[in-house]
Amino acid sequence: DTEVTQTPKHLVMGMTNKKSLKCEQHMGHRAMYWYKQKAKKPPELMFVYSYEKLSINESVPSRFSPECPNSSLLNLHLHALQPEDSALYLCASSQGGSDTQYFGPGTRLTVL
Amino acid sequence: AQSVTQPDIHITVSEGASLELRCNYSYGATPYLFWYVQSPGQGLQLLLKYFSGDTLVQGIKGFEAEFKRSQSSFNLRKPSVHWSDAAEYFCACLGSSNTGKLIFGQGTTLQVKP
Repeated sequence: DTEVTQTPKHLVMGMTNKKSLKCEQHMGHRAMYWYKQKAKKPPELMFVYSYEKLSINESVPSRFSPECPNSSLLNLHLHALQPEDSALYLCASSQGGSDTQYFGPGTRLTVL
Repeated sequence: AQSVTQPDIHITVSEGASLELRCNYSYGATPYLFWYVQSPGQGLQLLLKYFSGDTLVQGIKGFEAEFKRSQSSFNLRKPSVHWSDAAEYFCACLGSSNTGKLIFGQGTTLQVKP
């Protein structure tokens, strides 16, 4: 089973709202990732968690706050977003390092 | 710096025709290479990967890719395209620092004509 699940599928929020995106995997993977993808562009890495610890932050604005409560779960907390943050947010997981990353279906975020 | 180039932004082929999507990489050592496919509004699905060994790798949905070190290429092929293959295709390479950072090409949009 190579399934990564993400909720919600779609999210519309105002610039003053606080919301969270959720990602879950049950493959026993030790690394989890958040990517942001704008239309017609490749995914851009935001954060990497390895063994539940943040290992990479690609200079993402603080209005995005990741959290890894356990090895199967990854959250992305959103606060005071801007309209330009509207995008498809993808979660991925792997065994870490050079292992294959498996992606979830994504959350389509619209910021009004 | 490492990079992945997909020279073709958009490709149109007729259903039943053969397909080749090009990918070139820039990397000093043997790269870990991947092809992913993305349907509109969906996540990325792994088609195939190359880590080492046999340079011709088979993937899902009838796709294959060939790693050519001399040409720094990892082109994706399919002998007969189906209408359901219309999607965005991304070639990717894992970065050298073993951090798991994927470096993507810009993607190739495949359109299939009936």
